[in-house]
Amino acid sequence: AQKITQTQPGMFVQEKEAVTLDCTYDTSDPSYGLFWYKQPSSGEMIFLIYQGSYDQQNATEGRYSLNFQKARKSANLVISASQLGDSAMYFCAMREVGGGADGLTFGKGTHLIIQP
Amino acid sequence: GAGVSQSPSNKVTEKGKDVELRCDPISGHTALYWYRQSLGQGLEFLIYFQGNSAPDKSGLPSDRFSAERTGGSVSTLTIQRTQQEDSAVYLCASSLRRTAGYETQYFGPGTRLLVL
Repeated sequence: AQKITQTQPGMFVQEKEAVTLDCTYDTSDPSYGLFWYKQPSSGEMIFLIYQGSYDQQNATEGRYSLNFQKARKSANLVISASQLGDSAMYFCAMREVGGGADGLTFGKGTHLIIQP
Repeated sequence: GAGVSQSPSNKVTEKGKDVELRCDPISGHTALYWYRQSLGQGLEFLIYFQGNSAPDKSGLPSDRFSAERTGGSVSTLTIQRTQQEDSAVYLCASSLRRTAGYETQYFGPGTRLLVL
């Protein structure tokens, strides 16, 4: 079973609109971290935002915020006031503290295209 | 400060040849990770180093793949007798330490490997 599910293979959004990228995850470990990365066409993975499973508040970093709904195992990324430079692949990832591999488990990504 | 660097940025090789991919992590980062990104498989974790030791090799796809890390810094991923299915982007990441489990991993630009 997939541990990270991103259900939107591609999205088109008008510039300056807010956009929500969906991510659901599956784990039985009570301790885990959730991460979002951006990968522009240049290929480099850029860290955007992190949410820990015990964090009480949703994480925010500038225009990025994470809508964390623990009971639903959902960690959606919200980008406010989208810009043309936001066009990229976006990956949701998880690391379980208690077990499993030490690396991150990634979703298949969402290709976001911002239109002028 | 300098980020994670990888070399070469691109590598074209013939089937059956050996290749070495190099990763130089962020200075002071003790944890180092290798991932592979391909169209068919998405992003896959390969191996993790803490210092010079590799406690988790669970993601290495076959015994043709090996990795080492010397001096707690630079790491080399070696693929012996390359096959066409090894064609992918190989990404390296590092984090400050692994003990907390929530460490953010910072990625390098990757090495694009093409096996003809």
